[in-house]
Amino acid sequence: AQSVTQPDIHITVSEGASLELRCNYSYGATPYLFWYVQSPGQGLQLLLKYFSGDTLVQGIKGFEAEFKRSQSSFNLRKPSVHWSDAAEYFCAVGRNAGNMLTFGGGTRLMVKP
Amino acid sequence: SQTIHQWPATLVQPVGSPLSLECTVEGTSNPNLYWYRQAAGRGLQLLFYSVGIGQISSEVPQNLSASRPQDRQFILSSKKLLLSDSGFYLCAWSAGLAGAGGETQYFGPGTRLLVL
Repeated sequence: AQSVTQPDIHITVSEGASLELRCNYSYGATPYLFWYVQSPGQGLQLLLKYFSGDTLVQGIKGFEAEFKRSQSSFNLRKPSVHWSDAAEYFCAVGRNAGNMLTFGGGTRLMVKP
Repeated sequence: SQTIHQWPATLVQPVGSPLSLECTVEGTSNPNLYWYRQAAGRGLQLLFYSVGIGQISSEVPQNLSASRPQDRQFILSSKKLLLSDSGFYLCAWSAGLAGAGGETQYFGPGTRLLVL
């Protein structure tokens, strides 16, 4: 069965600093991978997704993620964090049957001024 | 463009009362529909998904049920709420392409349910 692990429950970074959120997955086939962001009390917004091809994926709001098959990872990065990036971030792996997603537990990002 | 609506936005209900949460999607046909629950400080748990009218699959046995009376309407229900049903309920849709995988899921704004 597929699973997703986000090792960091909370991360605090200073505004302007770089950011990397970790995501490790377990899946028997080539995975479909997603990153979503959730602001407090809101639904989830898609940041980016990986289906195939180039392993470095660009998303919205200046985010990017790199798929590394050898490490079973799909880490999310941003070179310079803005205060508005404070939110919870979820990594997910997609499975074909029923087009369903398995989510990681999420990483809550706090941004210091 | 496609939009997804959920209501109510917030709900406070006593233990033992019934529940009905509604989700509707506009701008697409024959979507796959999903109900998730997000308990406080935890990730998302898939509760139900539907690939068509009247077709409901349950991921986790529980006190809740789901129905899809129309193509773009998905309802989450309970006959008697439990304290443990409190949480943030999210509806999502994806393109209903048979046999395709990895379609993006798009989420609604959510309903916050507090059972007292």
